[in-house]
Order: sequence, then structure tokens, then C-alpha cells
Amino acid sequence: GENVEQHPSTLSVQEGDSAVIKCTYSDSASNYFPWYKQELGKRPQLIIDIRSNVGEKKDQRIAVTLNKTAKHFSLHITETQPEDSAVYFCAASTSYNFNKFYFGSGTKLNVKP
Amino acid sequence: GAVVSQHPSRVICKSGTSVKIECRSLDFQATTMFWYRQFPKQSLMLMATSNEGSKATYEQGVEKDKFLINHASLTLSTLTVTSAHPEDSSFYICSATTGQGAWNTEAFFGQGTRLTVV
Repeated sequence: GENVEQHPSTLSVQEGDSAVIKCTYSDSASNYFPWYKQELGKRPQLIIDIRSNVGEKKDQRIAVTLNKTAKHFSLHITETQPEDSAVYFCAASTSYNFNKFYFGSGTKLNVKP
Repeated sequence: GAVVSQHPSRVICKSGTSVKIECRSLDFQATTMFWYRQFPKQSLMLMATSNEGSKATYEQGVEKDKFLINHASLTLSTLTVTSAHPEDSSFYICSATTGQGAWNTEAFFGQGTRLTVV
């Protein structure tokens, strides 16, 4: 099955700085890569996703890049704010499995005011 | 976005009893739902794929007789933790998607169920 690795496990940044979280995957058939934000005790919320037919996607302060050859993808958050503090999970999925996700281990992001 | 509702949000049960958790897609039909388990400060671990009208598909290492899954309708999947033990205490969360086939749409998660077995 798919194996998704995520780094770092914790990340502390000063408000206004950028944060980068990286993930690698093992299954070359994976073609959908969402990123979820989870606050304590709550459900994961999709913040951005990317499909394998593009290399980069941006939505305001959030961007995701994908390198299919190297099988890695990254989340970039610019101008971080305290409300960005949460646990972020990357995931990988193949289209024929209807969004059956394999998640990375998570990154706890702490944005210090 | 689409809404997935999970019930109950919290449950405490005695060791040896069974607990049923419901996952409902409120405003769309979901032929496939997924069940995950999350330990404190850890990732979501996929347990099984729930298929409407057929048997669930379990991930390696997940006991199908321990975690019974029923997907009786297009909007409801249930997870029953049978003969629960303290080590089954965890956060259980389901997800469902509105799309099928290639280039799927977003997956929506239930709010999760915190199970504590005493």
C-alpha cells in the first residue's frame, strides 16, 4: 500500500514568517494530494489540494507544489498568522480508490505572535 | 460544502460491551465511506473502506470481527466496536466523497467520535 511520510513533526515560526511542510509518497499511481488542517478535537478541513496533472497551485497565502518524479509535495504558508496554528496533514490518494486517503504523520504548526 | 455527520461525538462504555458509531452524509449520496482511527497526537490511520450494499474492505492489521462495518444505505455507514477494551479507546472519524471515478472531488469528514473504554 501507499506510504506517506511527512516532515517536520513540529514547526514553530514567528508571525509573518513562512512555513513549509514536506511530504513524500511511495505509490507512483497516487494522483491526488490534499492537505488538511485539524484543530484539536475537530474534524480535518481541506485547505488545498493538487492533482498530478499540475505542478503547483496557489490560494492566497497557501500554495502546494508537486514533484511527481521525486514523489514529493510540499505545503507553503506565507505571512503566517496565529490562527494558522494547528496540525496539518498531507495525504495521497489514487483516483480508482475514491479518495481513500493515506495520511502523513502530521505537523504541528505553532505561529508565535 | 457537503455535510457528513457522525454520532455520537463522545461515548464512554464498559469493557466488554459493544459500541455503534454512525456516519451519515446529510446532503449527498455516498456509495463509499471510509473509517479512520486517530490516536492522541498521531495521524489518521485508515481502517476500512465501507461500500454500500457490499462487504467492507479492511486495511491490513485491522480485525474485521472486532470492527464491524455496515453500509446499508447510500447515506449511512456504521462502525461497531465489538467487545471493546481500553486499548480500543481512540478518536474514530469517517469520511465520504461526493464524486466517483477519476479526478475526485473533495472528501468530507465527520466530526469524529471520542471513544473511551473503562
